[in-house]
Amino acid sequence: DQQVKQNSPSLSVQEGRISILNCDYTNSMFDYFLWYKKYPAEGPTFLISISSIKDKNEDGRFTVFLNKSAKHLSLHIVPSQPGDSAVYFCAARGGNYGGSQGNLIFGKGTKLSVKP
Amino acid sequence: DGGITQSPKYLFRKEGQNVTLSCEQNLNHDAMYWYRQDPGQGLRLIYYSQIVNDFQKGDIAEGYSVSREKKESFPLTVTSAQKNPTAFYLCASSRRAALLNTEAFFGQGTRLTVV
Repeated sequence: DQQVKQNSPSLSVQEGRISILNCDYTNSMFDYFLWYKKYPAEGPTFLISISSIKDKNEDGRFTVFLNKSAKHLSLHIVPSQPGDSAVYFCAARGGNYGGSQGNLIFGKGTKLSVKP
Repeated sequence: DGGITQSPKYLFRKEGQNVTLSCEQNLNHDAMYWYRQDPGQGLRLIYYSQIVNDFQKGDIAEGYSVSREKKESFPLTVTSAQKNPTAFYLCASSRRAALLNTEAFFGQGTRLTVV
């Protein structure tokens, strides 16, 4: 069963508007969440992260919100730009360090298309 | 420049052959990982290593083998036992998972095609 879910496989947004990518998780032991951006035929690049003790983290045009009670996080991109078009992966890490619990668990990704 | 390097970028293999994918990092990271990406799928963990001379199976280890003789290197062998080897393979590294705020850095990937 998937522990990290990105239920929207794709999202299309107009340039200049807000993009909101969503991610749900099932394991309450996750303590750290990350967003990665991936272009075709390239490795993912780290975008932004948030610790479970926070509910918001902002970096320029990117903001991640965490709602622990709902086990939900979202990535907001404002304003969206055509160069933001990529696949975005949500990832979570377990709270027990060492062993497999320290590894990242990825969602299936959401393909964002920002149209000029 | 510090980074993580995968080679080759594209690899073709005949059915029944073993093939080894290279992954090298100069970030002084303790932990290294191999993931596989298939269309419409997320990144699935094949093997990981938290320290030299030690590695553990991930979610889809069958048909794969790894070694971790050096901190910088974590090669992945795709054996003939792997039933569906055609995929995009990603190597990653991170500081030890025991540290907070640990993000993984990825290589550029290797596209393996079985012909």
